Amino acid sequence: GAVVSQHPSRVICKSGTSVKIECRSLDFQATTMFWYRQFPKQSLMLMATSNEGSKATYEQGVEKDKFLINHASLTLSTLTVASAHPEDSSFYICSASPLTTGAVTDTQYFGPGTRLTVL
Amino acid sequence: KNEVEQSPQNLTAQEGEFITINCSYSVGISALHWLQQHPGGGIVSLFMLSSGKKKHGRLIATINIQEKHSSLHITASHPRDSAVYICAVRGGGADGLTFGKGTHLIIQP
Repeated sequence: GAVVSQHPSRVICKSGTSVKIECRSLDFQATTMFWYRQFPKQSLMLMATSNEGSKATYEQGVEKDKFLINHASLTLSTLTVASAHPEDSSFYICSASPLTTGAVTDTQYFGPGTRLTVL
Repeated sequence: KNEVEQSPQNLTAQEGEFITINCSYSVGISALHWLQQHPGGGIVSLFMLSSGKKKHGRLIATINIQEKHSSLHITASHPRDSAVYICAVRGGGADGLTFGKGTHLIIQP
């Protein structure tokens, strides 16, 4: 089946550091990738929709200058947490929808997630 | 914005029992997903439904579009089924998912 990878799987950094998380679709192309965040014991929340070749669409309350998204190709989207602070500590997970016959399907494949801890 | 409610929040059952997890949502959707999340955080997509019923092994998922309700059933439950089960809905084809809070299932041997 379709595979989505994320790197790194875990990162611990000091406050003020910028952290980049990569999301790759390994065996399919995706014009759209999604970034989600999950705080401990809470449900997943959509942060932003990453569109290949155009600007990302951010959900209400998500700072676009803090969570920088770049979808440079049909298989790679990156999320950069700029000047991370302890409150940004969370589990970040991406998903991607395969591009088939030019139409966006509803199927989503999830990456394994990245656990970010900011000290 | 769609509101997704799951019940129960927590469920502990004995091995072999038939399990039902329910999900309701407030606004029409293009698809509903049932996901499984293990303690490490990784998410596995179990089903994607837009109508009717799907079966995979011991798992069955149903959806009633008119009533905006879906159920996930596990037959002959096993301790390895212990996980958090999450219902998620999608509005349009290019929309991200809206998630329920999940059902924490524990199957005791």
